[in-house]
Amino acid sequence: GAVVSQHPSWVICKSGTSVKIECRSLDFQATTMFWYRQFPKQSLMLMATSNEGSKATYEQGVEKDKFLINHASLTLSTLTVTSAHPEDSSFYICSATAGLAGSYEQYFGPGTRLTVT
Amino acid sequence: RKEVEQDPGPFNVPEGATVAFNCTYSNSASQSFFWYRQDCRKEPKLLMSVYSSGNEDGRFTAQLNRASQYISLLIRDSKLSDSATYLCVVDTGRRALTFGSGTRLQVQP
Repeated sequence: GAVVSQHPSWVICKSGTSVKIECRSLDFQATTMFWYRQFPKQSLMLMATSNEGSKATYEQGVEKDKFLINHASLTLSTLTVTSAHPEDSSFYICSATAGLAGSYEQYFGPGTRLTVT
Repeated sequence: RKEVEQDPGPFNVPEGATVAFNCTYSNSASQSFFWYRQDCRKEPKLLMSVYSSGNEDGRFTAQLNRASQYISLLIRDSKLSDSATYLCVVDTGRRALTFGSGTRLQVQP
């Protein structure tokens, strides 16, 4: 099956610093990647949708200047949390879809747990 | 109103029990429906897609009622390993998924 990796799996950083999270599709080309965020005891909330080579589409309420998304290739998307604050501490999960033959099944990465101190 | 609503539970059931989860969605234009399973501190994993005709995968049966905008998941002969949070998920056609908040199941020996 399709595999999506994320790196790092967890990170602890100080308030005010920036953190980059990578999402890679390992055995397929991802036409679209999605970034989700999950706070404790809450569901996954979509942050943004990114297509290779174009600007990401952000959901309402998600600051695009704070959460920078780059999707430079068909196998890699990055999310950078700039000037992180404790309220950004969350579980960040990416997913990818190949969009082949009308199938848009999403494959999820294992997630990155961010703690901002 | 949330786009996808689920009873958060927890549902505590003994091994071997049959348990059912329900979910309602608000967007009548929704096109695809899924049940995902999420273990603690892990990513969600697709359990099964849900079709209008109803579908079954082993001990799991999913049903969709488009008229009522209602989705269900039935688990028969519960196992300890079924303990997890079950997420009702809807694709409104944007390809991005909308997740319910999940129903927590705890199967007890």
